[in-house]
Amino acid sequence: AQSVTQLDSHVSVSEGTPVLLRCNYSSSYSPSLFWYVQHPNKGLQLLLKYTSAATLVKGINGFEAEFKKSETSFHLTKPSAHMSDAAEYFCVVSGGAGGNYGGSQGNLIFGKGTKLSVKP
Amino acid sequence: EPEVTQTPSHQVTQMGQEVILRCVPISNHLYFYWYRQILGQKVEFLVSFYNNEISEKSEIFDDQFSVERPDGSNFTLKIRSTKLEDSAMYFCASRPGPRGNQPQHFGDGTRLSIL
Repeated sequence: AQSVTQLDSHVSVSEGTPVLLRCNYSSSYSPSLFWYVQHPNKGLQLLLKYTSAATLVKGINGFEAEFKKSETSFHLTKPSAHMSDAAEYFCVVSGGAGGNYGGSQGNLIFGKGTKLSVKP
Repeated sequence: EPEVTQTPSHQVTQMGQEVILRCVPISNHLYFYWYRQILGQKVEFLVSFYNNEISEKSEIFDDQFSVERPDGSNFTLKIRSTKLEDSAMYFCASRPGPRGNQPQHFGDGTRLSIL
């Protein structure tokens, strides 16, 4: 069975400083991993996805994540935080059999979320 | 860029009443999903739908819930007799095909408040 653990429920950074949001996953096969962001009163927006083509994945708004199989991690980073980055971030794994391969109708399994605060 | 749209954005309903939440998935997508997020809790999978039938459902999706694709564009979630604990944000999502590495695209959600 697949699962994700987000290690911090709340992260606070100052504007212009680096962001690190931590995520560990558990999967019995090659996982499909995603980061989604949710701004207040808005839906879930895809930031980036891991598709096994490259371990370092670049997303929107300057975010990136590195897939580390040996550590079963998929941490989200950004070199310099902006006020507009304040939101809730979800690490997500695709459920169901097949992982990256065909045949999965995979529902998504969400982590509990990390709320990012950015101080001026 | 095409997007998933959900209506209404906020629904207030008396306990015991039926409620229908509506979604218009992205037009060339074939797989549809409902998720819910109770305030302060994680986003939870409810049901997936493909080829006019449920393909997977969670234990949350009991007999009070049903889904339907009544025409070529809408995808609805019906709660037959609402309970207080059904109060949550409900998200619809869609994706083009079955591959697990294809991301799901989400709507902005419907906030359901049961009184």
